[in-house]
Amino acid sequence: DSGVTQTPKHLITATGQRVTLRCSPRSGDLSVYWYQQSLDQGLQFLIQYYNGEERAKGNILERFSAQQFPDLHSELNLSSLELGDSALYFCASSGVGNQPQHFGDGTRLSIL
Amino acid sequence: DQQVKQNSPSLSVQEGRISILNCDYTNSMFDYFLWYKKYPAEGPTFLISISSIKDKNEDGRFTVFLNKSAKHLSLHIVPSQPGDSAVYFCAAENQGGKLIFGQGTELSVKP
Repeated sequence: DSGVTQTPKHLITATGQRVTLRCSPRSGDLSVYWYQQSLDQGLQFLIQYYNGEERAKGNILERFSAQQFPDLHSELNLSSLELGDSALYFCASSGVGNQPQHFGDGTRLSIL
Repeated sequence: DQQVKQNSPSLSVQEGRISILNCDYTNSMFDYFLWYKKYPAEGPTFLISISSIKDKNEDGRFTVFLNKSAKHLSLHIVPSQPGDSAVYFCAAENQGGKLIFGQGTELSVKP
């Protein structure tokens, strides 16, 4: 158990819809990261938050947005969903300095 | 442009023997390297890491070697056990904290 909790585990929805994925980091971790793993791609970094502030952005589409709340949990919002957005979405958290990122078990998003 | 590459999609090893997983990178600005292990339906689990100022780090059966001049790192598992069967991802971190992952190598340890 990594200590990182992601909900829901599975999400099935239709094209054009909007969903919210939730992540609770490990106790004490201030950084939260979001990654996408598609069928034909490895893990791709989307975005990082540190103590409520956006710290780094990767290959995140404009239709996607994220935030980190004062209690440090984070949400990833995906809107105007397309078939190609079907993927596993992982959240990770880490402490300060050169600390490894610890991953949740992911949310599997299926767009029908 | 794939900055971190794992050229072997799969590796099969006999139980008790050594497993060697390889990873190459292109960006000399990476300063921290990690190996993760992933079972189906679970998230990646952190295994071992190495800072760019070192060339070796050991943790039990797992050793990571870093060759900065060749931009190459490897993970050695000795002795290999059937429970080590999983997909192994190499990852590199730049100073911003963003992890760049390789495509993974599926290790199968046969009893």
